[in-house]
Amino acid sequence: DIQMTQSPSSLSASVGDRVTITCRASHSISSYLNWYQQKPGKAPNLLIYAAFSLQSGVPSRFSGSGSGTDFTLTITSLQPEDFATYYCQQTYSAPRTFGGGTKVEIK
Amino acid sequence: QVQLVQSGAEVKKAGASVRVSCKASGHTFRSYDISWVRQAPGQGLEWMGWISGTNGNTNFAQKFQGRVTLTTDTSTNTAYMELRSLRSDDTAVYYCARETYHDTVGFYIDYWGRGTLVTVSS
Repeated sequence: DIQMTQSPSSLSASVGDRVTITCRASHSISSYLNWYQQKPGKAPNLLIYAAFSLQSGVPSRFSGSGSGTDFTLTITSLQPEDFATYYCQQTYSAPRTFGGGTKVEIK
Repeated sequence: QVQLVQSGAEVKKAGASVRVSCKASGHTFRSYDISWVRQAPGQGLEWMGWISGTNGNTNFAQKFQGRVTLTTDTSTNTAYMELRSLRSDDTAVYYCARETYHDTVGFYIDYWGRGTLVTVSS
């Protein structure tokens, strides 16, 4: 199975900050990497698919990059509604494993 | 619009089985796959398995092999997940989710159900 490691597991940031979350795969997954946002008590929501493609309706302050084993989710100017937990998921091979999550909290 | 409506919360005894349903609407059921993902209280997301909407093929995470069954009923556009031999650590919210596939970008989950809380008591 491909292991997905996210870092950091949590971070504190202020509104307007630039935030970067990384996701590392244990094997190369090409660009088959998706990012989801989850708020408490809600289902996850797709932000980015195929490493850098922005899902329809997602604000342009979210962006993704990377390929192979190292990937990044960037939020360029953190907004109050962005405080949530973020997960990466590889879909290169089954099982389609998720990273452990990164909780973005208010500083 | 696309909706995945899941069945209600369940409370089960250890050793029992649970079946969660997921009724899809707003899209052509057979054209999409359904994944099942669970989330234990305060924990992250765990991919359990996947069923093809086209041919019913399935694939499971190793830890669920032999204990989970995924099925679909195309007459009612409903997917089902059955988990057997329940243990206390199976207590979680179980999500069904629609997967979209494109040749150049692979799979991604674009719609999720609201989740079904399954509580396993000893």
